[in-house]
Amino acid sequence: AQSVTQLDSHVSVSEGTPVLLRCNYSSSYSPSLFWYVQHPNKGLQLLLKYTSAATLVKGINGFEAEFKKSETSFHLTKPSAHMSDAAEYFCVVSNTNAGKSTFGDGTTLTVKP
Amino acid sequence: DSGVTQTPKHLITATGQRVTLRCSPRSGDLSVYWYQQSLDQGLQFLIQYYNGEERAKGNILERFSAQQFPDLHSELNLSSLELGDSALYFCASTAHRVSGELFFGEGSRLTVL
Repeated sequence: AQSVTQLDSHVSVSEGTPVLLRCNYSSSYSPSLFWYVQHPNKGLQLLLKYTSAATLVKGINGFEAEFKKSETSFHLTKPSAHMSDAAEYFCVVSNTNAGKSTFGDGTTLTVKP
Repeated sequence: DSGVTQTPKHLITATGQRVTLRCSPRSGDLSVYWYQQSLDQGLQFLIQYYNGEERAKGNILERFSAQQFPDLHSELNLSSLELGDSALYFCASTAHRVSGELFFGEGSRLTVL
């Protein structure tokens, strides 16, 4: 079985301040983990992925995430928020053995000027 | 541009009607996934096809059906529509049989009046 929990449904930051979106997962197997971003009225776009290589993963638009097996976490960070980062973010756990991907409920990021 | 094309982008119809949503995956992708996104239920996995065969089923209602054709495009058929079926329907594709790395279309917004 696998599951993913996004710990915050809404996060609000000021422009230029750091962003932290939290994701915890559970999986019976070694998982692959992903973060997606969805801007209003748009499809989801892959930000970054972890597939058992380096634990610190860099993605697009300055985002990165660190896989911490001991904490079963895959938090998404960015050093300095930009107005264009305002969107919904989804954490996903995927398991090829189980044959499925599980999406978190999403975190809405608001960036204040 | 993800390379996944969905039509129509917007559709307004009445309760009891039937609609067909179409998805053209990225060139070469064999897997097609359908998701429903609504305000109250979030992003829900409906069904997956791989190379023409149904591979996985999620929370898909019996009133809904899908298929993948030999040219790999897919259609999602929604019948006996209810107000609660109003949602954004996404198609996603990937080259692999199972993968969390999905490429999403921009969605078809269905409004049932």
